[in-house]
Amino acid sequence: SAVISQKPSRDICQRGTSLTIQCQVDSQVTMMFWYRQQPGQSLTLIATANQGSEATYESGFVIDKFPISRPNLTFSTLTVSNMSPEDSSIYLCSVIDRVGQPQHFGDGTRLSIL
Amino acid sequence: KQEVTQIPAALSVPEGENLVLNCSFTDSAIYNLQWFRQDPGKGLTSLLLIQSSQREQTSGRLNASLDKSSGRSTLYIAASQPGDSATYLCAVTNAGGTSYGKLTFGQGTILTVHP
Repeated sequence: SAVISQKPSRDICQRGTSLTIQCQVDSQVTMMFWYRQQPGQSLTLIATANQGSEATYESGFVIDKFPISRPNLTFSTLTVSNMSPEDSSIYLCSVIDRVGQPQHFGDGTRLSIL
Repeated sequence: KQEVTQIPAALSVPEGENLVLNCSFTDSAIYNLQWFRQDPGKGLTSLLLIQSSQREQTSGRLNASLDKSSGRSTLYIAASQPGDSATYLCAVTNAGGTSYGKLTFGQGTILTVHP
């Protein structure tokens, strides 16, 4: 299965700032996704990262707050904009190599906002 | 809207026991169901993927079953070990349209296996 690297692994940020999280895969993958895991909660899908076009966002998530890029089949970024303490979460990138295959996750980015 | 429920929320067992984790989902029109484990401070590790047309999948000491019509899946762990201690998550992908790959997760079962 694909090897997924997320950077940074953790960060502590100031309120009102923005942070960009990178997700790099060691092979071309069909689909890439971004999830959020709030403290003590399960995972919630933020958006599907579409190669070469705008991401598809789930209800409750908007592009202005969580801009996503996917310039090619191995790389995507998620930006958390104008951060507030409520954005303190783990943000995870996931991929599907090919249709019908399991979804695999990166180790996540642990984000704390002061 | 798909909802996924996992029972029990937490489970503590002595080493060597066989155990069953339960997952139920409200919309039976799924493409597949996947079981993951999450260790503290870590990402998710895929354990088993069951396609909607399948009844079960096995990997080592793990066996997952799927009854799509009743909206249920179970994860069976044989001869549990302390290294199995983790949070186990069940997730489904709804069938149809643009839903492929979009996982809906349960809240997880926190498993502790003590020596």
